[in-house]
Amino acid sequence: EAGVVQSPRYKIIEKKQPVAFWCNPISGHNTLYWYLQNLGQGPELLIRYENEEAVDDSQLPKDRFSAERLKGVDSTLKIQPAELGDSAVYLCASSLGQGWEPQHFGDGTRLSIL
Amino acid sequence: AQKITQTQPGMFVQEKEAVTLDCTYDTSDPSYGLFWYKQPSSGEMIFLIYQGSYDQQNATEGRYSLNFQKARKSANLVISASQLGDSAMYFCAMRSSNDYKLSFGAGTTVTVRA
Repeated sequence: EAGVVQSPRYKIIEKKQPVAFWCNPISGHNTLYWYLQNLGQGPELLIRYENEEAVDDSQLPKDRFSAERLKGVDSTLKIQPAELGDSAVYLCASSLGQGWEPQHFGDGTRLSIL
Repeated sequence: AQKITQTQPGMFVQEKEAVTLDCTYDTSDPSYGLFWYKQPSSGEMIFLIYQGSYDQQNATEGRYSLNFQKARKSANLVISASQLGDSAMYFCAMRSSNDYKLSFGAGTTVTVRA
């Protein structure tokens, strides 16, 4: 089966510009996660969706970050405006949302802010 | 709150030898799951192995095994017969039964030498 697909793979923008990341989860996975991974650290959850509903967005900086998951499949994470400290890897993951089955991650988007 | 500690920032291992990666955790939840992920330099997070808090036996998955010591709150990963392709960052993660959010440690870099 196809894995979690993220695009773009790399993104370089100037500060204060907007940026968007896209994620297509594994088919049939109703739970989708966005994680932020700073250099040399483990990922940290930004937001979790169950179908189209954001059930945990407590770690999402809502002044500049937004996310959506229309129709409960693909998801987009947006930053506007981007700041220098947003340079990081943005990982998308999906799971069936049942029991203890693991989360499956995409390759991530590496964001660099100039 | 959950906390994962990986105290080894980096390790070197000779090809074909075994290596043990340490992971200790802290949680007040009686039911939790422990996960190990591998992250090569290319960036994707690859699920390796899972251990449930109520599992009586240590988990094994091919060359990966988990040394689970519940009383000591440790879940060390053992990689047997190391291969050059095992060179990567390894993350220990956990979640509780009532929350799908994964909490990650800081990771351990493994370098396999020929």
